[in-house]
Amino acid sequence: DADVTQTPRNRITKTGKRIMLECSQTKGHDRMYWYRQDPGLGLRLIYYSFDVKDINKGEISDGYSVSRQAQAKFSLSLESAIPNQTALYFCATSDFPRSGSYNEQFFGPGTRLTVL
Amino acid sequence: AQSVAQPEDQVNVAEGNPLTVKCTYSVSGNPYLFWYVQYPNRGLQFLLKYITGDNLVKGSYGFEAEFNKSQTSFHLKKPSALVSDSALYFCAVRHANRDDKIIFGKGTRLHILP
Repeated sequence: DADVTQTPRNRITKTGKRIMLECSQTKGHDRMYWYRQDPGLGLRLIYYSFDVKDINKGEISDGYSVSRQAQAKFSLSLESAIPNQTALYFCATSDFPRSGSYNEQFFGPGTRLTVL
Repeated sequence: AQSVAQPEDQVNVAEGNPLTVKCTYSVSGNPYLFWYVQYPNRGLQFLLKYITGDNLVKGSYGFEAEFNKSQTSFHLKKPSALVSDSALYFCAVRHANRDDKIIFGKGTRLHILP
């Protein structure tokens, strides 16, 4: 979805380096998410944020941190990258749901990260 | 524990034939169920969702899915497959009373053979 952008699209880094992945959205959604995709494992949630002051850990948050700089921006950091963090990373957004419903997520194009 | 299973890593279907991609789930309480599709080098795109109401849900690109509570399944279907349907398909579930957790299946790669 062109309304959700991620930078960089590809990144190769070395073990121990700090790296930041950035996500921006123009959809006006309050909710933002970071996932990683590994072959055969599907998508796993790293962190999510329901508004600028609300940050929550997902199922695999160890080794990662996030920053919600504004409603439209949500960054993921790897403080000291390790090879098993090599994966495809996706940012997603969703709108606040009405009572009794739940809104689908809109995904960015992904960042392919390789840690050597 | 909340979980979703896609029992087939890959499904091959001839163009023009009906297709089914299977999904079963485990969640206590009422589930919210989703299907997403991922084309090569792209992010996931939403196809359809079941929240409540009619068990047969229609979505994008001619896809539909049937919610079966007794079998805890939400299989994705299409009456006539197109080569352009070839992609990776993900089923996802959210517990109706928990706002934080969406669980994705591992994905099923669909190959439509010309």
